[in-house]
This record gives sequence, structure tokens and C-alpha cells, in this order.
Amino acid sequence: DARVTQTPRHKVTEMGQEVTMRCQPILGHNTVFWYRQTMMQGLELLAYFRNRAPLDDSGMPKDRFSAEMPDATLATLKIQPSEPRDSAVYFCASGTGQTHYEAFFGQGTRLTVV
Amino acid sequence: AQSVTQPDIHITVSEGASLELRCNYSYGATPYLFWYVQSPGQGLQLLLKYFSGDTLVQGIKGFEAEFKRSQSSFNLRKPSVHWSDAAEYFCAAYGGSQGNLIFGKGTKLSVKP
Repeated sequence: DARVTQTPRHKVTEMGQEVTMRCQPILGHNTVFWYRQTMMQGLELLAYFRNRAPLDDSGMPKDRFSAEMPDATLATLKIQPSEPRDSAVYFCASGTGQTHYEAFFGQGTRLTVV
Repeated sequence: AQSVTQPDIHITVSEGASLELRCNYSYGATPYLFWYVQSPGQGLQLLLKYFSGDTLVQGIKGFEAEFKRSQSSFNLRKPSVHWSDAAEYFCAAYGGSQGNLIFGKGTKLSVKP
């Protein structure tokens, strides 16, 4: 059963600490998205990659957020330093442009910054 | 700018009643269109999608959606709602030069007995 795997599922950290969230896309998918979900803003696109290359990261605060794909099986989203306003659920999704496009979502990482 | 609008933030329906959730999009050309459902504490699950062809598309869990080009709409429907349908529903569109998914703000569905 192919699925997007995100780790950790939950993370509580203190303000100022570095946070790294990981995503394993579905094997063979060449597009990876990072979304942030909050009550106030809903789902916001932070960044996305195609064939491991960043195509758009305009949704990310550049001074503290970074997203990478070290290889085709791993995407990371890093926050350094973290702030309480970063508390949210972060979703990774993967898809393919080879056939009709659709995004498969992971279960998310719930981040709480205290 | 490209956008997806879900006018209703929260809808409550009685179990067994029919449901329609509204979605409007603003794109230069017809995008691909999707409906997702998110149960509490879960990720998003794809309900159905529209790319082209028949404007009435069937999805999982008894949902369907109708694409209306003249109204730039893609409304989600279900003839008889079950208590387990209580969740948040997101309309999304894919297309344009950047080629990324854009989501509406979501509609929370409550089902009363």
C-alpha cells in the first residue's frame, strides 16, 4: 500500500530550537509539496519540488525555513530558529506529472513551539 | 491571480439529507479540479478529480461533483449524508504556469442526528 510517510508525527520544541521534518514520497513520484495548515490561514503551500529541484518556495519565510530533497526518497523541511507562530500541522504530499496529476498526502507533522 | 474559493466555512446538515458544498475557481484556463476530505487528526484524502470530459464525476464514498465552466464552479454533492461524513472538505485546483495545487480555505461539515 503506497503512501507518503512523514516523521515525526508530533513534535514539541522550545522557541529557538531547530526543527527538522522528514517526508518519504511515494516511490516513483517526482513532485513533492510541503504545506502548512493552521486554523487561521488554512492550507498554505510552502514549497514544492519536481525531480528534486525546487520550483517554488515563495511561500516560505526564507530567513528561517529551508526545504531540500537530498535524494528522491527523502524531502526535508527545516526551521531554524523556530518560533511559537510556526506551530501548525505540516503536510507533505507527492505526485507525478507523468500521468494525470493528483497529490497524495502524508498524515502530517503536528509542530508545537513553546 | 489564481485562486480557489469555498464560500461556506461551516455547514450543518441532518443525517440522511442531501449535501452540496460550493467551490469556485479563478484561473486563466480550466484547471484540473479536485476535492479532498480531511477527518480530524488525519491527512487529506482525495475524493474525486476532474481533468476533462464528462462534467459530472463520481468519487469515493458516494460523492460526486459537477464542473460548470460558465460558473467557474466545481460543487461537491452527496444525495444522503452519513454521520461519518463529518469532516473538513477542501476544493483544490492545479494548473497554470507554475503547476502547483492551490486549495480553498475548506468547508467544515457537521452532521446532526
